[in-house]
Amino acid sequence: GQSLEQPSEVTAVEGAIVQINCTYQTSGFYGLSWYQQHDGGAPTFLSYNALDGLEETGRFSSFLSRSDSYGYLLLQELQMKDSASYFCAVRPYSSASKIIFGSGTRLSIRP
Amino acid sequence: EAQVTQNPRYLITVTGKKLTVTCSQNMNHEYMSWYRQDPGLGLRQIYYSMNVEVTDKGDVPEGYKVSRKEKRNFPLILESPSPNQTSLYFCASQPDSRISGELFFGEGSRLTVL
Repeated sequence: GQSLEQPSEVTAVEGAIVQINCTYQTSGFYGLSWYQQHDGGAPTFLSYNALDGLEETGRFSSFLSRSDSYGYLLLQELQMKDSASYFCAVRPYSSASKIIFGSGTRLSIRP
Repeated sequence: EAQVTQNPRYLITVTGKKLTVTCSQNMNHEYMSWYRQDPGLGLRQIYYSMNVEVTDKGDVPEGYKVSRKEKRNFPLILESPSPNQTSLYFCASQPDSRISGELFFGEGSRLTVL
């Protein structure tokens, strides 16, 4: 089957760096996406890795290694507003119109 | 402003009373899809549409119907709602189903079926 595994919860301190991992079991996909969702809100797009390597967007970076079936989202200089849930997602080659989401990681920031 | 608009945002209904959740996007996107979100289960795809008159089932289509008669609209129909369809629903769109990594989500519709 196709699945994405994420830790359910992560806690970090304001100003620190945190890494949210996403491991997957799926045979080939177009790219790995990350979304942020605040409580009561809609998911919003953060980043997309079509190729292996690191993509940087401000305080957020995302990494993909297809050979290791692994990706991560790195958040630097954490702020209280970063407290949210984070989802990884892929679009598999086998069914390009379907998008598979991980179950999400709830990030809590402590002062 | 580019956006995906869902209505209603909140709805409480009773078992068996047909309802429709509308979704409209103003970005001329080809691809649209519906998701439900339940605690601990993440986002699960209900139905998707590659273009006008082209729809297909996602992972949890039972109890739902969709239509795509116009490019901008993709309504979700619950013919006979049941309590297990109580959930938070999101509509999303994307320019192209294969290339773009970014899904644009509506604000969500919280449905309660009594």
